[in-house]
Amino acid sequence: ILNVEQSPQSLHVQEGDSTNFTCSFPSSNFYALHWYRWETAKSPEALFVMTLNGDEKKKGRISATLNTKEGYSYLYIKGSQPEDSATYLCASVTGANNLFFGTGTRLTVIP
Amino acid sequence: DVKVTQSSRYLVKRTGEKVFLECVQDMDHENMFWYRQDPGLGLRLIYFSYDVKMKEKGDIPEGYSVSREKKERFSLILESASTNQTSMYLCASSLVASNQPQHFGDGTRLSIL
Repeated sequence: ILNVEQSPQSLHVQEGDSTNFTCSFPSSNFYALHWYRWETAKSPEALFVMTLNGDEKKKGRISATLNTKEGYSYLYIKGSQPEDSATYLCASVTGANNLFFGTGTRLTVIP
Repeated sequence: DVKVTQSSRYLVKRTGEKVFLECVQDMDHENMFWYRQDPGLGLRLIYFSYDVKMKEKGDIPEGYSVSREKKERFSLILESASTNQTSMYLCASSLVASNQPQHFGDGTRLSIL
């Protein structure tokens, strides 16, 4: 079992603020890093899959970076909106093709 | 768009019952997965399958079994339900490569009384 850690556990921000959170994972045997958004009463939705050290991906106001050598990824949200409120999950993939999930960061954007 | 459908959103069963959770995907994905989500814990893998009739244990397989008779359908079976199996269960599917995202169903909230 891989130890994937996310911080902070929860976060409250004002509408319009930018925010970021962290996913830490073991750097050995790394294959890929996934980010998912999980809104209440919906299914988790894939945001990014990242594989290369130094990778940066962007989807609208959300972006992510990856450092495989030191074992971390950052997720950034620019100008947070109430609809960004969700739990953000990261998962690290090992050679066995299994995803090991962190416990998530629960984001609440206050209007 | 990939559609992963779980048979029930909410289910209440009694201790000792045999419980079946069904999952169907419509995108011809090779991989299918069953997870459970409990407060304060990440999604934990119960079982996964790479192909029809193939299954592999995940991190917490005890008390569960699975069946994959057709490519699109992956069933999770609680052989004799216990109260500690009360949880949210999520099914997912994906293409084979590790850089492919998983597509999740809406989840089944199972309560064992």
